[in-house]
Amino acid sequence: AQRVTQPEKLLSVFKGAPVELKCNYSYSGSPELFWYVQYSRQRLQLLLRHISRESIKGFTADLNKGETSFHLKKPFAQEEDSAMYYCALSTHSGGYQKVTFGTGTKLQVIP
Amino acid sequence: EPEVTQTPSHQVTQMGQEVILRCVPISNHLYFYWYRQILGQKVEFLVSFYNNEISEKSEIFDDQFSVERPDGSNFTLKIRSTKLEDSAMYFCASSEIGTGVFEQYFGPGTRLTVT
Repeated sequence: AQRVTQPEKLLSVFKGAPVELKCNYSYSGSPELFWYVQYSRQRLQLLLRHISRESIKGFTADLNKGETSFHLKKPFAQEEDSAMYYCALSTHSGGYQKVTFGTGTKLQVIP
Repeated sequence: EPEVTQTPSHQVTQMGQEVILRCVPISNHLYFYWYRQILGQKVEFLVSFYNNEISEKSEIFDDQFSVERPDGSNFTLKIRSTKLEDSAMYFCASSEIGTGVFEQYFGPGTRLTVT
């Protein structure tokens, strides 16, 4: 069975401080991991995926298979980063995806 | 940029009543999904749908739930006899056909309140 764990419900940081949102996963196969973001009153949006290894809005995430982690990081938090962040694990078969979400971490950036 | 849309944004219904939640996926997408998020809890997968068939469903998706693509554009989730515990945000998502990893695009959600 696949599982995603986000240990922190709320993370408060000051503007300009580094951010690390933790995510650990459990999956017996080769994982495909994502971070989704949900800004206040908006829909879930894909922030980044591990296979593209890109940086979006200054955020990066590295897949560590040894530690089964996919932590989201940003060196300097901005007020507009305040949102709910969901780590997600995707499996696919026959072309469709099933996404398992973590419980989410609310990031609060204090001005 | 094309978006997934959902109607209504908020639905209030009495326990035992049937509700239909509607979604219009992005037009060239062929895979459709429903998720549920009970207040304060995580987003949970309900069902995936492709080629007019359910591809996969979770244990939450029991006989009270059904999905349908009644025409070329809509994708609906029906709850036959609502229970108090069905109160949640329901998100529709769609993705392109293809192999490998592809992005799911989410709708804004429908808040269902069962009284």
